[in-house]
Order: sequence, then C-alpha cells, then structure tokens
Amino acid sequence: GAVVSQHPSRVICKSGTSVKIECRSLDFQATTMFWYRQFPKKSLMLMATSNEGSKATYEQGVEKDKFLINHASLTLSTLTVTSAHPEDSSFYICSARASGIMNTEAFFGQGTRLTVV
Amino acid sequence: GENVEQHPSTLSVQEGDSAVIKCTYSDSASNYFPWYKQELGKRPQLIIDIRSNVGEKKDQRIAVTLNKTAKHFSLHITETQPEDSAVYFCAASSAGNQFYFGTGTSLTVIP
Repeated sequence: GAVVSQHPSRVICKSGTSVKIECRSLDFQATTMFWYRQFPKKSLMLMATSNEGSKATYEQGVEKDKFLINHASLTLSTLTVTSAHPEDSSFYICSARASGIMNTEAFFGQGTRLTVV
Repeated sequence: GENVEQHPSTLSVQEGDSAVIKCTYSDSASNYFPWYKQELGKRPQLIIDIRSNVGEKKDQRIAVTLNKTAKHFSLHITETQPEDSAVYFCAASSAGNQFYFGTGTSLTVIP
C-alpha cells in the first residue's frame, strides 16, 4: 500500500517552546491530509484537515493558533505545536488519502510521541 | 460533524470463537466505512472497508455489514487467533472527506 512517513517519531521539548511535526506522502499525492491526537488507550481525535494551498479546517475546540498547520505541497503537511505545555503531551498522528479519489482508505504515518517537560 | 459510536470498548474471546464489534454513525451523508486495526505502539492499518452501495463484504475471516437505514455497521471476526488481539477502530467518511473514528475496541483473544 501507499506510504506515509511522519517525523520525528519521538520528541521531548521544554515548556514554552514550539515543535514541528512533518507528514509526507512518499509515493502518492495528497491534496488533503488529516491530523489526529491520540491519548493513551483512547481513540483518534480528529484535530484538523490540512488542505494543500489553502487554510486548514479545524475541528471544534482545537485552537488554530496553538496548532499551526501548513500544507505547502501535495506531499507534505506540517503541524507545529506552538508554546507547548505539558498538557500538549500526546501521540500525534497524520493520515493522507490520494488526491482525486473519494471513498478510499487513508494511510497513516507512524505517529509522533510528544513529551513536554 | 459526524459522530461515531463504537461498542464494546473491551472484548475478550476464547481462541476460535467469533468477535463482533458494532458502530453507529450520525451523518446520513457518510458513504465510506473503514475498519482499522492498531497494535500497541504502531500506526492504524486498514483491515476491511465497505461503501454505502454494499450491504456486506467479506475477506477470509473478517466481514463487515452495513445498514444504512439504521446507520450502523459491524465488524465480524471468525475463528479468532491470538494475533487478532489489538485495538480496532471503525470510521465514517462523509462528503467532506474527513475520517471520524469510533472510540475503539480493545480485543483480547485468549489462547
């Protein structure tokens, strides 16, 4: 199947700093990518939909100024957690679907474990 | 947005028995329903999916049924094996192309 690569897989940062997470579709183009947050033993909570060349669409309750999303190309979306705090510690995972094809599976990155100390 | 509910949250079965996980959704416009399996520390992987124009789909030991009228769909795993132990998520995708996931079911297959 298609490959989605997410980097870094683990990051530890100090409170107040910003962290950037990258999500790349390696062998297909993705007009749309999705960012999720997953708490331990919990489900995948959709945070935002990243749209290539336009603004991201955020889910209710997700602060767009806190979680900056940039989708600069058809193969790359980035999520920046700004002014991180310990409560932002979580597992962040992206997914992507191939452009122009509806009703197909989404492929997931391997996730990023963020720890804010 | 879409609201997907999933039951049960945990499920234990004896090896060889069947496991059934059920999901409901709220958005009648949803037309694609995938099921993902997530092993500890790994990314979710698609195991089966169904589209709204189909009522049932089967792939070896795994089957999914969809009732669009009632807005619910189910995952059936037969002849369960220890390697089936994982967390399973259902999802619904609407015209907006977003995936909304259920709350997950932790399946344990007891040898």
